Amino acid sequence: EPEVTQTPSHQVTQMGQEVILRCVPISNHLYFYWYRQILGQKVEFLVSFYNNEISEKSEIFDDQFSVERPDGSNFTLKIRSTKLEDSAMYFCASSEQGSSTDTQYFGPGTRLTVL
Amino acid sequence: SQQGEEDPQALSIQEGENATMNCSYKTSINNLQWYRQNSGRGLVHLILIRSNEREKHSGRLRVTLDTSKKSSSLLITASRAADTASYFCATANDYKLSFGAGTTVTVRA
Repeated sequence: EPEVTQTPSHQVTQMGQEVILRCVPISNHLYFYWYRQILGQKVEFLVSFYNNEISEKSEIFDDQFSVERPDGSNFTLKIRSTKLEDSAMYFCASSEQGSSTDTQYFGPGTRLTVL
Repeated sequence: SQQGEEDPQALSIQEGENATMNCSYKTSINNLQWYRQNSGRGLVHLILIRSNEREKHSGRLRVTLDTSKKSSSLLITASRAADTASYFCATANDYKLSFGAGTTVTVRA
């Protein structure tokens, strides 16, 4: 069964460093998402992406964050200058369509630790 | 916020028993989805129920939706140790999902 994959599974970085989290969505899906979950807290929406454009973003997704689909398979989340509070599990998701009747399939997550 | 809120926060049951958890939300939705998360792992999609549906089944899972009360329930029948996980409801609107805090279910052997 097709699945969303994410790399790395765990990333440790120093405060102020740039990190890039990578995702490979399900191949026939057109809509891509990033969510994060700070330890012990709710899963929070960050951004949705379609046709090489951001469809919607949350207040969390400020100028320090960017997303890109550099080729036909990868979808990346970049944090330019990490802060301690960026430490969280980051989940990528994809859906076949962007309608809100469509299921979003999540990857296993990347645990980001900012020291 | 239209986020779902689950109740109870935690549930401990014996293997073979049924587990029921509830989700309430605040605004109108297009659909509501339930996900499972094993400790420290990713989110696994369980079931999606559309706003015009009242009940849906998938294997040992039964989901109900009452849009007039803005609530949903997830029933897991004949629970197994492998059902031990956190369960989240997520309301869908536009392009995003809004998650609740989850119900942690422990199934004792």
